[in-house]
Amino acid sequence: DVKVTQSSRYLVKRTGEKVFLECVQDMDHENMFWYRQDPGLGLRLIYFSYDVKMKEKGDIPEGYSVSREKKERFSLILESASTNQTSMYLCASIGLYYEQYFGPGTRLTVT
Amino acid sequence: QQPVQSPQAVILREGEDAVINCSSSKALYSVHWYRQKHGEAPIFLMILLKGGEQKGHDKISASFNEKKQQSSLYLTASQLSYSGTYFCGTPSSYSGNTPLVFGKGTRLSVIA
Repeated sequence: DVKVTQSSRYLVKRTGEKVFLECVQDMDHENMFWYRQDPGLGLRLIYFSYDVKMKEKGDIPEGYSVSREKKERFSLILESASTNQTSMYLCASIGLYYEQYFGPGTRLTVT
Repeated sequence: QQPVQSPQAVILREGEDAVINCSSSKALYSVHWYRQKHGEAPIFLMILLKGGEQKGHDKISASFNEKKQQSSLYLTASQLSYSGTYFCGTPSSYSGNTPLVFGKGTRLSVIA
C-alpha cells in the first residue's frame, strides 16, 4: 500500500515563528502537492512539485515556500507564521493512474 | 476554476440512496471522487475519464458527461460507513499529472 506520512498530526506555533511541515511518500512518486483545508473552502493548492528541486506555485502560495531535495520528501515552510495560517495541511502524491494519495494531515494552530 | 458540488449536505437513513453532483464552467478532462471521514485523510474513490463512462465499486458508482461538464456520484443502499465528506476534483489541464481543483465538498450523514 502507498503510504504518505506527515511529520506531525498537531502543531502549535507562535506568530512570527518559522514552521516546517514535512511529508514523505514511499512509492517513488514524482508528483507531490501541498494543500490547506479550511471549513467551507475545501482543499486549496499551495505548492506542487514535479520532480526533485522543481516547484510550482498553486492557488495560494503567499506566505509559504517549499523544498524538495529528495524525491520522497516534500517540505512546506511557513517563513513567518501568522494567525491566518491556522489550518489543516494535507500533503499528497500522485499514483500511476493519476489517483492522489493523501497524508493524514497536520492541524496547525498559530497563536 | 473550482467545480461546484450539490447538495452541500445530505442526511440519509441506512438503506436510502443519494446522488451528489459536480459541475464545472470549464471543459472537464476527467473527474476524481474522494471521501474524507472526520479527522482522516481524503481517500480516493474513483476517476472518470472522457467518454461518458460510468464506473463503480460496491454500491458506489459515478457517471461523467463531458458535454454537460458534470459528474454525479451515486450511493445506493447507503451504509453507516458511507458517512463523510465527498469531494470531486478536476485537473487544471489535460495532463493527468496536474494538480486537482476540488469542490467544496458534500457532507453525507447516514443514520440508523
